Amino acid sequence: DTAVSQTPKYLVTQMGNDKSIKCEQNLGHDTMYWYKQDSKKFLKIMFSYNNKELIINETVPNRFSPKSPDKAHLNLHINSLELGDSAVYFCASSHPVGANYGYTFGSGTRLTVV
Amino acid sequence: GQQLNQSPQSMFIQEGEDVSMNCTSSSIFNTWLWYKQDPGEGPVLLIALYKAGELTSNGRLTAQFGITRKDSFLNISASIPSDVGIYFCAGLEGTDKLIFGTGTRLQVFP
Repeated sequence: DTAVSQTPKYLVTQMGNDKSIKCEQNLGHDTMYWYKQDSKKFLKIMFSYNNKELIINETVPNRFSPKSPDKAHLNLHINSLELGDSAVYFCASSHPVGANYGYTFGSGTRLTVV
Repeated sequence: GQQLNQSPQSMFIQEGEDVSMNCTSSSIFNTWLWYKQDPGEGPVLLIALYKAGELTSNGRLTAQFGITRKDSFLNISASIPSDVGIYFCAGLEGTDKLIFGTGTRLQVFP
């Protein structure tokens, strides 16, 4: 059973298009995240949601809009895609802070904008 | 934004050697985590550290939470080919936000 699953794994699209990435977790975690990993492998947080409520929004262009229909799902919609949006996007979820704290990541969505 | 600096950036070692890498920050963190990322996969948690000075092991891996709370170290003993990957440290800011390090790429030759 996959704990955090993202779809699609690969996404190739033209500039100007709108696309969505879906994420689901079956761990019962309350908090979910989107991270972006660039070509140099830097991992940077974009958003976090706790129980469907937006908690962190890290100065991401408003072309990026996360949506959490329930606490097990956090989707990412991107409008008017640009070349610089090409990256690997990771979804993650976490326990509350405490002895078991740690994120569980999905396997990533590689977005290529051409 | 804040960034954690890891060193070395990359390492090329022979199977069987021990490996050390570290992570430093200009800010204090109360929780440090170490992750490994294999190609085409998401990072996987290796070790979590919750107290300054804490030393924790997970098999051949040992990590320490620096006493100043601004650094952490990861050691891998007797490396094997499957240790290849990128190792990330991460510090917890507040209760929800992980700040990741710049990564250490490890290559192990048989």
